[in-house]
Amino acid sequence: QKEVEQNSGPLSVPEGAIASLNCTYSDRVSQSFFWYRQYSGKSPELIMSIYSNGDKEDGRFTAQLNKASQYVSLLIRDSQPSDSATYLCAVKGTDSWGKLQFGAGTQVVVTP
Amino acid sequence: SAVISQKPSRDICQRGTSLTIQCQVDSQVTMMFWYRQQPGQSLTLIATANQGSEATYESGFVIDKFPISRPNLTFSTLTVSNMSPEDSSIYLCSDYGQSETQYFGPGTRLLVL
Repeated sequence: QKEVEQNSGPLSVPEGAIASLNCTYSDRVSQSFFWYRQYSGKSPELIMSIYSNGDKEDGRFTAQLNKASQYVSLLIRDSQPSDSATYLCAVKGTDSWGKLQFGAGTQVVVTP
Repeated sequence: SAVISQKPSRDICQRGTSLTIQCQVDSQVTMMFWYRQQPGQSLTLIATANQGSEATYESGFVIDKFPISRPNLTFSTLTVSNMSPEDSSIYLCSDYGQSETQYFGPGTRLLVL
């Protein structure tokens, strides 16, 4: 059973601080990793993708991947109230023809 | 990214009836996916819809309950058949194109009474 695990939260973060979200996955051959943001009542929105070990930065977001540890994380710098949402980690394996397996999501609450 | 639309955006249905959800993508895509998101839960893949072939269903989902059509590279439908209150969910379609990433439609919010 391939699994993607995230802490459900809520993760409470003061405005301006760094939010750190973690995700572990069980399928060692997974190759592609995605972070989606989902506001309440809305559909998931892709915010980051990462394929190689190391860090990938996009604006205030940094994704970190460590395939040896089967671990992917998302950092949100200078957190804003508009970042309050559920963040979904998604993993794609090599044999999955594009299929994604999603974690349960981490709810982030940014407090002013 | 492709622009994806879904119809209807929401519906309230009686148990035992069926609802067909449409998904339209503004560009041709290789595969389309149908997901279900039950209240407070994450996304669960129902099936993969390929143009010109039968849909591929995930464990726990069957064609009789969730028939899918994919008549061309920009359109797909998902029917939720013989509905029960347990089918109350958000149903989402997504695309998988040349970018090898998935983008989601706005979702269809279904309530079954």
